[in-house]
Amino acid sequence: KAGVTQTPRYLIKTRGQQVTLSCSPISGHRSVSWYQQTPGQGLQFLFEYFSETQRNKGNFPGRFSGRQFSNSRSEMNVSTLELGDSALYLCASSVLSGTGELFFGEGSRLTVL
Amino acid sequence: KNQVEQSPQSLIILEGKNCTLQCNYTVSPFSNLRWYKQDTGRGPVSLTIMTFSENTKSNGRYTATLDADTKQSSLHITASQLSDSASYICVVSASSNTGKLIFGQGTTLQVKP
Repeated sequence: KAGVTQTPRYLIKTRGQQVTLSCSPISGHRSVSWYQQTPGQGLQFLFEYFSETQRNKGNFPGRFSGRQFSNSRSEMNVSTLELGDSALYLCASSVLSGTGELFFGEGSRLTVL
Repeated sequence: KNQVEQSPQSLIILEGKNCTLQCNYTVSPFSNLRWYKQDTGRGPVSLTIMTFSENTKSNGRYTATLDADTKQSSLHITASQLSDSASYICVVSASSNTGKLIFGQGTTLQVKP
């Protein structure tokens, strides 16, 4: 059974640009959640999607957005990139929202110059 | 305010020794508590998930305990191996309905030969 796949694994952008990251969950999983991880802040929750609907949202500015497609694949977008957006972006999938076990992808490492 | 605090922040032990990591939380209402292991540059991997009624749960050389009265959890690693070098993250689910997760900052463990 394939795991959670995130693309791209690494990318470099400059300030002001925008970026789109993709996450393909484990087959049969309907919940996808996104996290930002930085050395100083640890793992921070961005948002969760379940059956194409955003269920939860963390405390991030509106520049961070996401969506989920009918096949449960999800994308997150960050517009007007800032240096502080440099981080490892992790996506996790689970069968159900809430108490389900999370399966994480390997992450997308974003560097903003 | 919902919070998860882990201690120590970092730890160095010799191969073969045991160690215990701590997690204190102030999360309400409580649904479950999870421990994840994250190798450098990789996504977190689930070690254990414990609900309110569970006191102890083991996964190989990893044993997690939960005291719901004092709102404390510990992760005990027995006979440590070099491959145990990683960050260990405690995560508390605030409610089975909302699926809100609160992450600790993690404990970085280094096992030396």
